[in-house]
Amino acid sequence: DTEVTQTPKHLVMGMTNKKSLKCEQHMGHRAMYWYKQKAKKPPELMFVYSYEKLSINESVPSRFSPECPNSSLLNLHLHALQPEDSALYLCASSQEALAGADEQFFGPGTRLTVL
Amino acid sequence: GEDVEQSLFLSVREGDSSVINCTYTDSSSTYLYWYKQEPGAGLQLLTYIFSNMDMKQDQRLTVLLNKKDKHLSLRIADTQTGDSAIYFCAELPELMTTDSWGKFQFGAGTQVVVTP
Repeated sequence: DTEVTQTPKHLVMGMTNKKSLKCEQHMGHRAMYWYKQKAKKPPELMFVYSYEKLSINESVPSRFSPECPNSSLLNLHLHALQPEDSALYLCASSQEALAGADEQFFGPGTRLTVL
Repeated sequence: GEDVEQSLFLSVREGDSSVINCTYTDSSSTYLYWYKQEPGAGLQLLTYIFSNMDMKQDQRLTVLLNKKDKHLSLRIADTQTGDSAIYFCAELPELMTTDSWGKFQFGAGTQVVVTP
């Protein structure tokens, strides 16, 4: 299994809602990532988890809360989002969180719309 | 703006070769990646090259690296309509630091449109 899966594919939420995005991989990878991608822009790194510990938080607002319950799962909890948070949220994983040495495998993304 | 730069658009006829260009910034050891993104989908790794190499070929894909000019190109031979997508080049340093750990420098992406 060389896939990163993400659910849901699409999500529409209001600014007062609480929702979660889920990501799963069964490749035995120990590093997992959340990216945010706006239309026609490259992905921007949000969080890096290495061995289930948060290693990098790229100054992301606290309305985004990541969680790594185990080595195969990565969640992104959303609360009180703003319309400008509407984007494609991509999850990725790699063997280790080493700079350059490991390929990152990307999931298909969750298309989030905040009303 | 991004430190990794790409031209934004390329139109190519089916069957012709496509060449997508990218310039990068890090002059030390670095990995350079090409990703493909189809509409509404995630990123698909096409190929990558380490900065001590000049060229890498993989079926229809040829990556050329000019280290002196920090110029990277991806050539797609016999371009097909299924190659229509956005192509991102990305740079990731070999040496891990707190700043670089897992952190790609992506280019803005080149939209490739293949016409019949």
